[in-house]
Amino acid sequence: RKEVEQDPGPFNVPEGATVAFNCTYSNSASQSFFWYRQDCRKEPKLLMSVYSSGNEDGRFTAQLNRASQYISLLIRDSKLSDSATYLCVVNSPLSGSARQLTFGSGTQLTVLP
Amino acid sequence: ETGVTQSPTHLIKTRGQQVTLRCSSQSGHNTVSWYQQALGQGPQFIFQYYREEENGRGNFPPRFSGLQFPNYSSELNVNALELDDSALYLCASRTGGGETQYFGPGTRLLVL
Repeated sequence: RKEVEQDPGPFNVPEGATVAFNCTYSNSASQSFFWYRQDCRKEPKLLMSVYSSGNEDGRFTAQLNRASQYISLLIRDSKLSDSATYLCVVNSPLSGSARQLTFGSGTQLTVLP
Repeated sequence: ETGVTQSPTHLIKTRGQQVTLRCSSQSGHNTVSWYQQALGQGPQFIFQYYREEENGRGNFPPRFSGLQFPNYSSELNVNALELDDSALYLCASRTGGGETQYFGPGTRLLVL
């Protein structure tokens, strides 16, 4: 079983749609959680951190449920520019101050005109 | 942009050769991690360097090795290249206590 599992996708949605991505993680010692966005042939870029209380950044809302080890991302009013691969990322301790980012395989989103 | 730079941008090698990839971290960041991203997959953690010492390693064989220099820049060395080593290699930097990692643009390696 993969340490971070995401919806396989791809998701093809019309402009203006609401789309939700789900993710589960297996390491209960994980300490912090993120969604990254990766455009084709580019590096991953931090979209938002995810907190237990839930957090919102404009059209994007992230939720974390530590008990069920579940993370979600909701995108409202999709724009063409939201087309990208969305990576669910978990930060887990290694030893000392070392931490490892563990990525899901990513979910590809295409927003259609 | 993130202030993390990598060189070269692209590289073609043949099986059995050795390669060195370079990363310059963001100013003030003393921790550098390296990741391998195969096509269609998420990045996989290779190792992390903090103040010139490797202090964490993922599930990669010893032919993947690295260095970090006093200015916190870093190198990833891969010996005895295999076809499966073809991937995008990403480095990311952060401060020692920071949660957020900032990625460089990556080096795309093709092994023939």
